[in-house]
Amino acid sequence: NAGVTQTPKFRILKIGQSMTLQCTQDMNHNYMYWYRQDPGMGLKLIYYSVGAGITDKGEVPNGYNVSRSTTEDFPLRLELAAPSQTSVYFCASRSPDRASYEQYFGPGTRLTVT
Amino acid sequence: AQSVTQLDSQVPVFEEAPVELRCNYSSSVSVYLFWYVQYPNQGLQLLLKYLSGSTLVKGINGFEAEFNKSQTSFHLRKPSVHISDTAEYFCAVCGVKAAGNKLTFGGGTRVLVKP
Repeated sequence: NAGVTQTPKFRILKIGQSMTLQCTQDMNHNYMYWYRQDPGMGLKLIYYSVGAGITDKGEVPNGYNVSRSTTEDFPLRLELAAPSQTSVYFCASRSPDRASYEQYFGPGTRLTVT
Repeated sequence: AQSVTQLDSQVPVFEEAPVELRCNYSSSVSVYLFWYVQYPNQGLQLLLKYLSGSTLVKGINGFEAEFNKSQTSFHLRKPSVHISDTAEYFCAVCGVKAAGNKLTFGGGTRVLVKP
């Protein structure tokens, strides 16, 4: 299994541009998450999904959108990029197994908005 | 809602010395507790978790943590560190009945192991 994969690894955007961060998992996990990581701030949840067709906001959803049309994919869309969205973005997934609760993380996308 | 405080942002430690990383949490409901490690330029991976049962939890790479409900703490320890333990460590909590089992993370503790 490849686990959780994210593309691209790095991206530089100009203010006002838009882009989609891709996330795919091959573990048949129902639950998927998007986090952003800022220095000294830990990870903040942007959006999450408990299954195909179901998404919900996390702690910091403003400026982002998501969709979940398949179990495997959970893309994150940035519209009208702003410097405040400069961050490292992590996608994660989790098995519905109630005994586990472990989230599996992708390698991250480092985004700079200038 | 939950919050997590990691009391030390950086911990320098010599190789083969013990290390303790402190984590305190606040929650109005019962929680599950986790420690994740992030090696440079990588994603996070689970070190250990407390769901129920014994309050002393053993994880990978020789780490262990103790859940103290009265002090709302979940401190991480390793008796003898290696250079390869240089990483950032995150404490996280999840409400037992939280929708989506969302994690709330602390700000992280950067461990630098010196030879």
